[in-house]
Amino acid sequence: KAGVTQTPRYLIKTRGQQVTLSCSPISGHRSVSWYQQTPGQGLQFLFEYFSETQRNKGNFPGRFSGRQFSNSRSEMNVSTLELGDSALYLCASSSGVVRAVGEQYFGPGTRLTVT
Amino acid sequence: AQRVTQPEKLLSVFKGAPVELKCNYSYSGSPELFWYVQYSRQRLQLLLRHISRESIKGFTADLNKGETSFHLKKPFAQEEDSAMYYCALSGFLTQGGSEKLVFGKGTKLTVNP
Repeated sequence: KAGVTQTPRYLIKTRGQQVTLSCSPISGHRSVSWYQQTPGQGLQFLFEYFSETQRNKGNFPGRFSGRQFSNSRSEMNVSTLELGDSALYLCASSSGVVRAVGEQYFGPGTRLTVT
Repeated sequence: AQRVTQPEKLLSVFKGAPVELKCNYSYSGSPELFWYVQYSRQRLQLLLRHISRESIKGFTADLNKGETSFHLKKPFAQEEDSAMYYCALSGFLTQGGSEKLVFGKGTKLTVNP
């Protein structure tokens, strides 16, 4: 099976702009989760989508949003970028069924730099 | 509150020495615990889960419900074990909510030659 893919891999934006990141899960997986990874805070959960519905949400401001399409592909959007949004954004997919949420398969990440 | 704590940000050992990465959790129900690993320039990947009770790359982890711990151990560390290790807990973290995976902040293990 092909692994989780994320595009783009690197992105440089300026403050105030918005950005959209994309994630394609493993075939057959219906759950997609997004995480922000920084050296200081580690892995922080953003949100999870399952069957096109947001099922879980972390403690991030409303500038962070996402969606999932019928083919399970997911996008994450960050509006009005701030310098503190610079991070590695990871996408992970899982089957999404009960007791399988813990087995997540991660993509390589998108490195976002905000200047 | 449901929480995963990895008390050591950094851990350094010599090759051949035993290694133990600590993980403590707080959760009122029956959690599932996992260890994830991220090698340099590689993606984060699942190392092992407590339900499997198996040894992966020589690593084992035992869930101790009394001490609410899930420490990762290896009797003889190898240089290729150098990586970032994350402990994670899966459970229903809110009443009526759906299952969620929570990560600790990670421990960077360095195995010196």
